[in-house]
Amino acid sequence: DGGITQSPKYLFRKEGQNVTLSCEQNLNHDAMYWYRQDPGQGLRLIYYSQIVNDFQKGDIAEGYSVSREKKESFPLTVTSAQKNPTAFYLCASSVNRQNSPLHFGNGTRLTVT
Amino acid sequence: EDQVTQSPEALRLQEGESSSLNCSYTVSGLRGLFWYRQDPGKGPEFLFTLYSAGEEKEKERLKATLTKKESFLHITAPKPEDSATYLCAVGWNFGNEKLTFGTGTRLTIIP
Repeated sequence: DGGITQSPKYLFRKEGQNVTLSCEQNLNHDAMYWYRQDPGQGLRLIYYSQIVNDFQKGDIAEGYSVSREKKESFPLTVTSAQKNPTAFYLCASSVNRQNSPLHFGNGTRLTVT
Repeated sequence: EDQVTQSPEALRLQEGESSSLNCSYTVSGLRGLFWYRQDPGKGPEFLFTLYSAGEEKEKERLKATLTKKESFLHITAPKPEDSATYLCAVGWNFGNEKLTFGTGTRLTIIP
């Protein structure tokens, strides 16, 4: 079955450490996205990518970095510069960026202490 | 400022008790309104896209409608498995990066 795989499901890190969240899709979608979900808030866009080797900052990109070396993969690195990294992180993809529905992975819950 | 507001925040219904969830928006130039279902600890699952006022979409016990200011998700004779958080997202310009998500309605269906 086609879909989006995020790993790991749970991640624990000490403050000051960088951590990379994995996102892989086999839907052959061009566009990929990273969102952050916090209690009581709507999903907020961190980064998005329309094609390989190209990506753009979203609304809350500070303290995060991404790469898009392959169409299937869009890893997110949470750096030590991110002030409040503890959150539920969601990766999504869409056929294109033109208002086609997003398909989401099942998320990674990151806890930084 | 573009805003998306969902109400109520939480709703508890008896099995079989029909109701509606609301998503109101103040964006200009609506490109599309999306409904998603999210189970605890999982990613959102796409339900519907609505593009213009008057449009309706149905799937099993769910029916989504759209006006110029709001969308309703009607749930008819719900079952316990319909319990989830329902999210709406509004596209207010070209491109999925221009999506504003609401905070969701947490729906609980009591057997």
